[in-house]
Amino acid sequence: DGGITQSPKYLFRKEGQNVTLSCEQNLNHDAMYWYRQDPGQGLRLIYYSQIVNDFQKGDIAEGYSVSREKKESFPLTVTSAQKNPTAFYLCASSTEPSSTDTQYFGPGTRLTVL
Amino acid sequence: AQKVTQAQTEISVVEKEDVTLDCVYETRDTTYYLFWYKQPPSGELVFLIRRNSFDEQNEISGRYSWNFQKSTSSFNFTITASQVVDSAVYFCALRDPNAGGTSYGKLTFGQGTILTVHP
Repeated sequence: DGGITQSPKYLFRKEGQNVTLSCEQNLNHDAMYWYRQDPGQGLRLIYYSQIVNDFQKGDIAEGYSVSREKKESFPLTVTSAQKNPTAFYLCASSTEPSSTDTQYFGPGTRLTVL
Repeated sequence: AQKVTQAQTEISVVEKEDVTLDCVYETRDTTYYLFWYKQPPSGELVFLIRRNSFDEQNEISGRYSWNFQKSTSSFNFTITASQVVDSAVYFCALRDPNAGGTSYGKLTFGQGTILTVHP
C-alpha cells in the first residue's frame, strides 16, 4: 500500500542528546514537509523540501536539521539546541510543491524529553 | 498575514445529532486554498476536503458537508447524524499559493476543534 511511514511512534530523549525521526513515503511525491504540533495548537512548519538535495526552513527551524538525499526519505534531527522539543511531529508529502496540491500526512512521532 | 480561527475549542454531542464546526480565515490574496483535516486519537491527519477560492459551491460527501462563504471568510464543516467514530480533532487550514520564503508550501492551521460524540 502507498503511504507515509514515520518511526518510531514514541521516542524518549535525554536532555543534550540529538535524535533523528524517520519519514519515508512510497507515493512518488516530490515535496515533503515536517510539522510540529503542541497540545491545543495547530501545526507549525519546521522544514520543507521541494526536490531531492534541496530543503528550506519553515517558521520554526531553529534547533532542527533535515536532509533529503533520496526522494522517498526526509529525516528530521532534533538537536540539543532545540530548547523545548517535547511535541508531536508530523511528516507530510505532496505530489509537487505547487499551490494546488494536497498534503498527506504520516502517523506522527511523539517525542518526549526526559 | 494569514490566519485561521476555529473558535470552538471543544464540542460534545450525542450520537445522531448534527454538528457544525466553524472556520474563519484571513488572507489578503484573492487566490487561496482551504482544507479540512481530521485527526483521530491515533494522531494521523486525514485529508477531508480541499476548496479553492474561486469555487463557492457547497460540497456534500455522505454525512459530511462544507459551506464556503467568501463574503464572511468562512468555511464551515457540518457532520449530519454524527457517529462515535466521528470523535476526533478537526483542523481547518489555509494555503496561499503566492506565499514565498518560509511561507512557501505552508499550511496555516487553526487550533483545531475537539469533537466528542457520545453514544
